[in-house]
Amino acid sequence: GENVEQHPSTLSVQEGDSAVIKCTYSDSASNYFPWYKQELGKRPQLIIDIRSNVGEKKDQRIAVTLNKTAKHFSLHITETQPEDSAVYFCAASSTDSWGKLQFGAGTQVVVTP
Amino acid sequence: DTGVSQDPRHKITKRGQNVTFRCDPISEHNRLYWYRQTLGQGPEFLTYFQNEAQLEKSRLLSDRFSAERPKGSFSTLEIQRTEQGDSAMYLCAIGGGGTEAFFGQGTRLTVV
Repeated sequence: GENVEQHPSTLSVQEGDSAVIKCTYSDSASNYFPWYKQELGKRPQLIIDIRSNVGEKKDQRIAVTLNKTAKHFSLHITETQPEDSAVYFCAASSTDSWGKLQFGAGTQVVVTP
Repeated sequence: DTGVSQDPRHKITKRGQNVTFRCDPISEHNRLYWYRQTLGQGPEFLTYFQNEAQLEKSRLLSDRFSAERPKGSFSTLEIQRTEQGDSAMYLCAIGGGGTEAFFGQGTRLTVV
């Protein structure tokens, strides 16, 4: 089955700096890669996703890149703000596996003013 | 409006008791998933329904766990003879399959 590894587990950045989180996956059949943000005590919320036919996608201060050959994808947050502080999860799924998501272990991001 | 309601939000139970959680999608969705999330970890897949059919169950779902989606709308997850290791957040999600999986707020289970 799919295995997703995520690094780093914690990330401290100064407000205004960039944050980068990296994930690798094992199943070459995976074709959908969402990123979720989870604040303490709340549900995971989708912030951006990318499909395997695309190499990069941007949405304001957030971007995701995908390297299918190397089986890794990354989340980039620019101009970080205190409200970006949360746990971020990467995930992977394939249409072959009913679309179930395999999540990474998460990255605790702390943005200090 | 996309949304998922889960009930109860919190449940404290004694070891050995049975518990049942409910997931109510606000609008119709073919796909419904249950995940379990323990502290400091990402959600782990438990089971998947397409309409009323349960098409996949994780090995995490022991014989003490059962899930249903009788009319292809709401879903229930029952845990029999609860153990302390069952303490976790149980999340229901709709959608998925190459599009956004929208999560409910979850039911936090504490087994004492």
